[in-house]
Amino acid sequence: KNEVEQSPQNLTAQEGEFITINCSYSVGISALHWLQQHPGGGIVSLFMLSSGKKKHGRLIATINIQEKHSSLHITASHPRDSAVYICAVFGGQFYFGTGTSLTVIP
Amino acid sequence: ETGVTQSPTHLIKTRGQQVTLRCSSQSGHNTVSWYQQALGQGPQFIFQYYREEENGRGNFPPRFSGLQFPNYSSELNVNALELDDSALYLCASSLGLADYEQYFGPGTRLTVT
Repeated sequence: KNEVEQSPQNLTAQEGEFITINCSYSVGISALHWLQQHPGGGIVSLFMLSSGKKKHGRLIATINIQEKHSSLHITASHPRDSAVYICAVFGGQFYFGTGTSLTVIP
Repeated sequence: ETGVTQSPTHLIKTRGQQVTLRCSSQSGHNTVSWYQQALGQGPQFIFQYYREEENGRGNFPPRFSGLQFPNYSSELNVNALELDDSALYLCASSLGLADYEQYFGPGTRLTVT
């Protein structure tokens, strides 16, 4: 049983499309993180949130604590957004989803 | 301000050997976490150190151990290596415990043969 579930596992989009990645979790948490991992392994933290919504440029993250659900949206997707997006939560320890592999085609 | 660095980049070991991986945290960060990421999987939490004390541990056996030093560097030690220990090992530093942004290092790729 995975404490963090992401969907979809794989996603291919045309450049310019609006993208949504979903994350559901089953543990009580104090914070949820969205991470981006490029080929080769480097991980960059995109968002950390515990309520509501955050926006950085074309990226938007939302969280619904009651429903234990978060979404990551990418507006006007670009090929450089191609990466694996990972949802992680802290509920006593860190739990990670298996990631969503996004490919944006020019 | 330097970022998080890890060494070595790649490492090949034989089953049964011991390995030490190193991480240098971002300046001022008193918390470091270590993760194991098998190929095609999400990271798995190994443990977290806060001000040189272990502050939480995932489902990893005692042969995985760590140290954090006053200069913000840290080590992950793995004894009696097994083939399944082959993975990317990531460290991440932060200003505090869970509710702080994590800054990840580039990782160490360990291969156990």
